[in-house]
Amino acid sequence: GEDVEQSLFLSVREGDSSVINCTYTDSSSTYLYWYKQEPGAGLQLLTYIFSNMDMKQDQRLTVLLNKKDKHLSLRIADTQTGDSAIYFCATRAGGYNKLIFGAGTRLAVHP
Amino acid sequence: DTGVSQDPRHKITKRGQNVTFRCDPISEHNRLYWYRQTLGQGPEFLTYFQNEAQLEKSRLLSDRFSAERPKGSFSTLEIQRTEQGDSAMYLCASSPATSGRMGNEQFFGPGTRLTVL
Repeated sequence: GEDVEQSLFLSVREGDSSVINCTYTDSSSTYLYWYKQEPGAGLQLLTYIFSNMDMKQDQRLTVLLNKKDKHLSLRIADTQTGDSAIYFCATRAGGYNKLIFGAGTRLAVHP
Repeated sequence: DTGVSQDPRHKITKRGQNVTFRCDPISEHNRLYWYRQTLGQGPEFLTYFQNEAQLEKSRLLSDRFSAERPKGSFSTLEIQRTEQGDSAMYLCASSPATSGRMGNEQFFGPGTRLTVL
């Protein structure tokens, strides 16, 4: 079946880069997303990548996709305390509307 | 604020009671989704509407769960005879009909947190 896996926790120092990794099983995934969830708030879409792309950069965010290995990563440059949150990887297969989410990676940024 | 809204934000109920949640999507969005999120997990898909038609239901949606979107605008999710295992955050999301620059982005509401005692 469809499955999305993420490491559960990442701790980084303020100003360093953070890299959050995700693996998925559904090879028909067309869009791959990164969402951010802060305490008490809903999910906010940070960025997405289409399956025919290898990389996408958006300001401090860089998404890398290795379609062969079904591996997705999110790099946050110059990580700030405001980046502390839970980050979810999600996939969507073409023609289907539901998103399949990972369990989330909790990012803790310390001084 | 023109985002997705959900009501109530919190609901505490006793086992066996019925509860109903409401979701108001972004006004021009004709697609509406319900997800459930338990502690330490990512959201799990429950059901999807395009306008008033319920087009997909997860096997997670037992017979005790029913969702409606009668006029293609707001939606309700009802849980009958609640069980302790129903305790979770219930999230609603909406999206426009056509793919936009964000790959048919689903915009999420703040959620309704249900606690079943």
